[in-house]
Amino acid sequence: GNSVTQMEGPVTLSEEAFLTINCTYTATGYPSLFWYVQYPGEGLQLLLKATKADDKGSNKGFEATYRKETTSFHLEKGSVQVSDSAVYFCALIPYLTGGGNKLTFGTGTQLKVEL
Amino acid sequence: SQTIHQWPATLVQPVGSPLSLECTVEGTSNPNLYWYRQAAGRGLQLLFYSVGIGQISSEVPQNLSASRPQDRQFILSSKKLLLSDSGFYLCAWSGGLSNEQFFGPGTRLTVL
Repeated sequence: GNSVTQMEGPVTLSEEAFLTINCTYTATGYPSLFWYVQYPGEGLQLLLKATKADDKGSNKGFEATYRKETTSFHLEKGSVQVSDSAVYFCALIPYLTGGGNKLTFGTGTQLKVEL
Repeated sequence: SQTIHQWPATLVQPVGSPLSLECTVEGTSNPNLYWYRQAAGRGLQLLFYSVGIGQISSEVPQNLSASRPQDRQFILSSKKLLLSDSGFYLCAWSGGLSNEQFFGPGTRLTVL
């Protein structure tokens, strides 16, 4: 079946530090890959996505590259801010969904950024 | 533009009581609709999805049910709540050529 594995949190960083949150996946074919962010008490927002191998998704200074050879989609940001504190979810939609675009999520990684 | 609404925002219910959570989408037609649950300290689990009116697929066996009485309305229900039903319930929609899902603000349910 399909699955997504994320590094466990919480991850605590100082402001302006470099961020990496690891994500690997298991799926047949070429799934679409996503990073969602959940700020405290809110729903999920799409942060970025990539739909084919070697695609790079980017938004708000965050980047992730679809690596088919390592089945990975690691999230990176060069300089984090306190406002980036949130829970980050890696997710996939399989290439053939059989009806409905069903997301499979990782367990989420909590990021805390301190001054 | 499209918007998605969920209510109530928070709910505290006793064990054994019924449940009805509502989700509505505006600004789009014939969306795919989804219910997810996020238990405390855990990831998101897909509960139900719907590709059209009256069409419901259940992803996991549980104490909950879903209905889609109108094109842009998705309801999550239970006849008798369990303690384990506590969590954060998120509704989402997708549609058109994109497989991207858009999430509502969520409902936090506490069963006592």
